[in-house]
Amino acid sequence: DVKVTQSSRYLVKRTGEKVFLECVQDMDHENMFWYRQDPGLGLRLIYFSYDVKMKEKGDIPEGYSVSREKKERFSLILESASTNQTSMYLCASSFSGSSYNEQFFGPGTRLTVL
Amino acid sequence: QKEVEQNSGPLSVPEGAIASLNCTYSDRVSQSFFWYRQYSGKSPELIMSIYSNGDKEDGRFTAQLNKASQYVSLLIRDSQPSDSATYLCAVRRNTGGFKTIFGAGTRLFVKA
Repeated sequence: DVKVTQSSRYLVKRTGEKVFLECVQDMDHENMFWYRQDPGLGLRLIYFSYDVKMKEKGDIPEGYSVSREKKERFSLILESASTNQTSMYLCASSFSGSSYNEQFFGPGTRLTVL
Repeated sequence: QKEVEQNSGPLSVPEGAIASLNCTYSDRVSQSFFWYRQYSGKSPELIMSIYSNGDKEDGRFTAQLNKASQYVSLLIRDSQPSDSATYLCAVRRNTGGFKTIFGAGTRLFVKA
């Protein structure tokens, strides 16, 4: 079974703080993704990575950065948290060799910025 | 026009009935299609994948794909209250970096 884990289920931070969200997958997947999910807006891609030290901007990268130093780990960084970054953050991974390239999700981190 | 469109619902069906969930997409060169189930407060869980025209069955679930009409649907037979969730349609396209685009989801309620 694919297992994607995220460092926290719930997180509360103050405006201006630097926030780190960590994601780890144990299936040797090449691709990893960070999404945020907001009511009525669905899943929106923030960043993705298809290899170690590689990263690509998604649809809403502003205010975020990422790091992928090891294949199994993909970190999302909020350089200076703002209240509009309050959201559910979901990490996902996928295997490039699969016909479908299905994505498997972690449990999510619900971030509240006060 | 959204790239992947779903009726937000809620769709309400009685227990034992067939639930039919629909999704349309705009990119004609889309390659793979997925249905995810998401319970409230949980993350999406993959339940079906399809990439060829026609039907694909897995237990009580059937995914249907029609690339000419650019729609994909999910049928849930013998619906159970435990099927009550939001169902996300996702489309992986060949252009724009091979990204997967998600619809906003359809909420399904199965009444006991």
